[in-house]
Amino acid sequence: GNSVTQMEGPVTLSEEAFLTINCTYTATGYPSLFWYVQYPGEGLQLLLKATKADDKGSNKGFEATYRKETTSFHLEKGSVQVSDSAVYFCALSRNSGGYQKVTFGIGTKLQVIP
Amino acid sequence: ETGVTQTPRHLVMGMTNKKSLKCEQHLGHNAMYWYKQSAKKPLELMFVYSLEERVENNSVPSRFSPECPNSSHLFLHLHTLQPEDSALYLCASSQDSAGSYEQYFGPGTRLTVT
Repeated sequence: GNSVTQMEGPVTLSEEAFLTINCTYTATGYPSLFWYVQYPGEGLQLLLKATKADDKGSNKGFEATYRKETTSFHLEKGSVQVSDSAVYFCALSRNSGGYQKVTFGIGTKLQVIP
Repeated sequence: ETGVTQTPRHLVMGMTNKKSLKCEQHLGHNAMYWYKQSAKKPLELMFVYSLEERVENNSVPSRFSPECPNSSHLFLHLHTLQPEDSALYLCASSQDSAGSYEQYFGPGTRLTVT
């Protein structure tokens, strides 16, 4: 079956530090890959996505590249802010008979300190 | 209202109570989902409705009963719950299509079973 592996954290960084959150996956075929973010007290929001190999998703300074050869989709940001403190979920999605079958990672909590 | 809304945001219930969670999406999507989010665990998919038909039921105990009266509304009826059912219950929606599109999440209902 499909699976997504990411570090649980928490990851604690100082403001303006470089961020990497690793994500690897196991899946059949060619899934789409996503990063979702969850701020305290809220639901998940899509941060970025990539739908095929070598695609780079980017949003709000975050980037991730779909690497089929290493089955990875690592999230990076060059300079984090306190407002980036949240839980980040890596996910893969396959269309399954008309709906999205999504497998989520466990979520990585990021704390950015001033 | 825009996006996906959920009510109530917080719910405390005893093990013998009956309550319902409500989800409404204002996005014109035709697939809706219930997830359970517990600490230290990946999101667990509970139910999926596509075009108002239940298409997935991931071995969820019968004390959880979903209802999808139309493509915009989704309910989760709860009865005789257990303390381990305490969690954040998230509703999501997506567009039924051949592509892989993201899911849009509501803010969740924080359920505490006493």
